[in-house]
Amino acid sequence: NAGVMQNPRHLVRRRGQEARLRCSPMKGHSHVYWYRQLPEEGLKFMVYLQKENIIDESGMPKERFSAEFPKEGPSILRIQQVVRGDSAAYFCASSPLVQTNSNQPQHFGDGTRLSIL
Amino acid sequence: AQSVTQPDIHITVSEGASLELRCNYSYGATPYLFWYVQSPGQGLQLLLKYFSGDTLVQGIKGFEAEFKRSQSSFNLRKPSVHWSDAAEYFCAVGFSGGYNKLIFGAGTRLAVHP
Repeated sequence: NAGVMQNPRHLVRRRGQEARLRCSPMKGHSHVYWYRQLPEEGLKFMVYLQKENIIDESGMPKERFSAEFPKEGPSILRIQQVVRGDSAAYFCASSPLVQTNSNQPQHFGDGTRLSIL
Repeated sequence: AQSVTQPDIHITVSEGASLELRCNYSYGATPYLFWYVQSPGQGLQLLLKYFSGDTLVQGIKGFEAEFKRSQSSFNLRKPSVHWSDAAEYFCAVGFSGGYNKLIFGAGTRLAVHP
């Protein structure tokens, strides 16, 4: 049973280019979360999505960042016109349902390391 | 605002010694609590979780953690550390009011001396 799959594992972009990060949740999971980890820091929540819906994007920068989770296919985190400060590890997590009354925690992928030249 | 504090940035222990990693949270109600471990270049692996019930929870790899409501703490312990335990450990809090957006501490990096 495959876990959360993220690709690419490493991505290098030049300033001003676009970065697309993909996340396929675990089988049966319909909730996806994106987190960003800056060097020497913990993970910071960015956005929470269900299929075709953005539920909470309170952690997303106001500009250049967007996320989607289409009916078919992986979730995509898109960063337009990247800058050096976007260099970080981006992690995706998934869960099967809202965890209010559940004991199912989030399962994390191995992340995408984004480097901006 | 909700927050998680891990007071120790780096900890070094000798192999075979006991370990305790501290975690304190700030939240008005009973949270969901997690400990994750991250090896270099890898993702996060769940060690254990607390949702309700027994405040002493057992996890994988011989780890345990105790929820203490009066101290707003969820410290991670292991009686005898192995060299393979060297990694970064993150405490995280989720909230019972809805979906589980996690708030992470800054992490504690554990080094193990032979």
